[in-house]
Amino acid sequence: AQTVTQSQPEMSVQEAETVTLSCTYDTSESDYYLFWYKQPPSRQMILVIRQEAYKQQNATENRFSVNFQKAAKSFSLKISDSQLGDAAMYFCAYRVNSGGGADGLTFGKGTHLIIQP
Amino acid sequence: NAGVTQTPKFRILKIGQSMTLQCTQDMNHNYMYWYRQDPGMGLKLIYYSVGAGITDKGEVPNGYNVSRSTTEDFPLRLELAAPSQTSVYFCASSLDRTSDTQYFGPGTRLTVL
Repeated sequence: AQTVTQSQPEMSVQEAETVTLSCTYDTSESDYYLFWYKQPPSRQMILVIRQEAYKQQNATENRFSVNFQKAAKSFSLKISDSQLGDAAMYFCAYRVNSGGGADGLTFGKGTHLIIQP
Repeated sequence: NAGVTQTPKFRILKIGQSMTLQCTQDMNHNYMYWYRQDPGMGLKLIYYSVGAGITDKGEVPNGYNVSRSTTEDFPLRLELAAPSQTSVYFCASSLDRTSDTQYFGPGTRLTVL
């Protein structure tokens, strides 16, 4: 079974600084997707960024970027120029890209990100 | 488009009661999912559906049932509610097997007392 581990229950960063959230995963598959979701107090799950395992280039979305290390099974999220609106729970998630079945997402336990003004 | 909608937003049940959580999507997505999120945890897959009339179990299906009679709707049924089912329930959808992005509803907070 696949597992996703987020070792940082909580992180704090000063506004405008850069913060990196860690995620490791365990899988025997070679073709899969990785995601970072943001969950603010409203509880809405918001997709931040996604990475396809077969792509070596790290995904980037504006201030958000990932460091994808496939051999190490590591998928960290870097948030640059942190803003107060970035404060939320961040979940790392995995989905295998195998044939057949819907393959729901497997989530980590989350990291609570606090932005200090 | 409203996206994925869920009703109700909140509900309190007594032990042994039953209820149905509603989920509707207007994006013509074939794949739909139900997750639960326990306090301090990530989401866990309960059931999923790849199209009307087709459903299958996820990681934590015990105590739940689903049906998928239309593309738009994917209700989750709780029979004989138990305190262990106190959780936040999320419905999600994706276009098809090649789509890697799931769109989530706003969630239903359920408390069983």
